[in-house]
Amino acid sequence: IVMTQSPATMSVSPGERATLSCRASQSVVSNLAWFQQKPGQAPRLLIYGASTRATGVPARFSGSGSGTDFTLSISSLQPEDFAVYYCQQYNKWPLTFGPGTKVDIK
Amino acid sequence: QVKLVQSGGEVKKPGASVKVSCKTSGYNFVSYGISWVRQAPGQGLEWMGWISTYNGNTTIGQKFKGRLTMNTDPSRSTVYMDLRSLTSDDTALYYCARGWYNEYWGQGTVVTVSS
Repeated sequence: IVMTQSPATMSVSPGERATLSCRASQSVVSNLAWFQQKPGQAPRLLIYGASTRATGVPARFSGSGSGTDFTLSISSLQPEDFAVYYCQQYNKWPLTFGPGTKVDIK
Repeated sequence: QVKLVQSGGEVKKPGASVKVSCKTSGYNFVSYGISWVRQAPGQGLEWMGWISTYNGNTTIGQKFKGRLTMNTDPSRSTVYMDLRSLTSDDTALYYCARGWYNEYWGQGTVVTVSS
C-alpha cells in the first residue's frame, strides 16, 4: 500500500491551524497512525486508529478519516510543533509510511 | 515505564553484516511484536520487518528478503536484527519500535557502511 502525504512542506505561523493530509492507495480501514519527528529524535506516536490520541498527546492534535483519506489537524500551532509528520498504515503487510510533511515556521 | 534501548553505533565495510539489539523493559515482552524501521540521512522512515515476540514469526519487507534476519531472546527481553551484504545504501539510523502502530521507539542505532 503506497502512502502519499500533502503538502510536502507547509509554512505556518504560531497560533494558526495546520491541516495535513495522508492518502492510501487502497483502503486501510482505520489502521492509520501519525507520528511527529523532530531533528535528532526518534519519531513520536501522536495518533493511532486514525483518530485516537496516544498517551500524553495534547488535545490540539486530532486525526480523522477512514478508508483511503486521512487528516491530521493541529488546532493552534505551538513552537514545539514545528517538525516533520509521517503517516503509517498498519492494515496490511508490508507496513508503509508516507514520505512526510514538514511543518515550518512562517 | 516502557523502554526500548538499542545497541551502539556500528561502522562496517561493504559486504559485511551488522547486528543490532533492542532491549525492552517495562511490559510483558511477549505481548507486543517489534518492528525495525530505518531512516537514511535526510530521508523518511522505511519499514524493514516485524517479529512476533510470542512465537518468533517474522514478516520481512520485499526489499530486505534474503538479507534481513530477526530473532528474540525472551530471557533477556531482547530482539535482534541482523542485516547482511551491506552496501553504502544501508547507511542509516536503525530503530526498533513496539507494536502494530509503533507506540514506543528505541533511541536509534547509527550504522555507517564505508570502505
